[in-house]
Amino acid sequence: DQQVKQNSPSLSVQEGRISILNCDYTNSMFDYFLWYKKYPAEGPTFLISISSIKDKNEDGRFTVFLNKSAKHLSLHIVPSQPGDSAVYFCAASEAGAGSYQLTFGKGTKLSVIP
Amino acid sequence: DTEVTQTPKHLVMGMTNKKSLKCEQHMGHRAMYWYKQKAKKPPELMFVYSYEKLSINESVPSRFSPECPNSSLLNLHLHALQPEDSALYLCASSQPGWRELFFGEGSRLTVL
Repeated sequence: DQQVKQNSPSLSVQEGRISILNCDYTNSMFDYFLWYKKYPAEGPTFLISISSIKDKNEDGRFTVFLNKSAKHLSLHIVPSQPGDSAVYFCAASEAGAGSYQLTFGKGTKLSVIP
Repeated sequence: DTEVTQTPKHLVMGMTNKKSLKCEQHMGHRAMYWYKQKAKKPPELMFVYSYEKLSINESVPSRFSPECPNSSLLNLHLHALQPEDSALYLCASSQPGWRELFFGEGSRLTVL
């Protein structure tokens, strides 16, 4: 049973526009959420995170929104750039579990078209 | 440049071979991880070392044997693997209790 779901396997966006990547979760014990970016033949790179006590976290062009009641989070990239083309993984961590129990979604492949 | 270095980047081995994957980090992290990732799947946790001691083994078959010689190094010894073990093996590190893991580039393993 998937506890972290990324229902869109792929997304195409024009350069300069907004990219919105979505993630849903089912485990109410998750209290920390992360986004990782992965290029082909490379390991995942940490991008941005959010604690469940917040509903928004911003870092440059990247903003993560958390809607706890809907068990939904999203990553916004504005403006999108061709270098953002990669697979984006949503991950979640349970309260008290530390970093040991990161649960990943299946990923969304973002293609930014010049 | 990644601060978690994995070698080799690619490894092809037969089912009777013995080989090792190596991981090194110089960020002073005291927790290190092995993940396995199959194509179009999310990374799956295999092992966690915290302060050089094995703290989590996610029911991984004994043909995979982890080793943490010191706080900077993590090895994964491979023996009698099966073709279905072919995957990208990712090493990661963090401070214990931190939620953010820092991954290496991975070792692509092919078992013939």
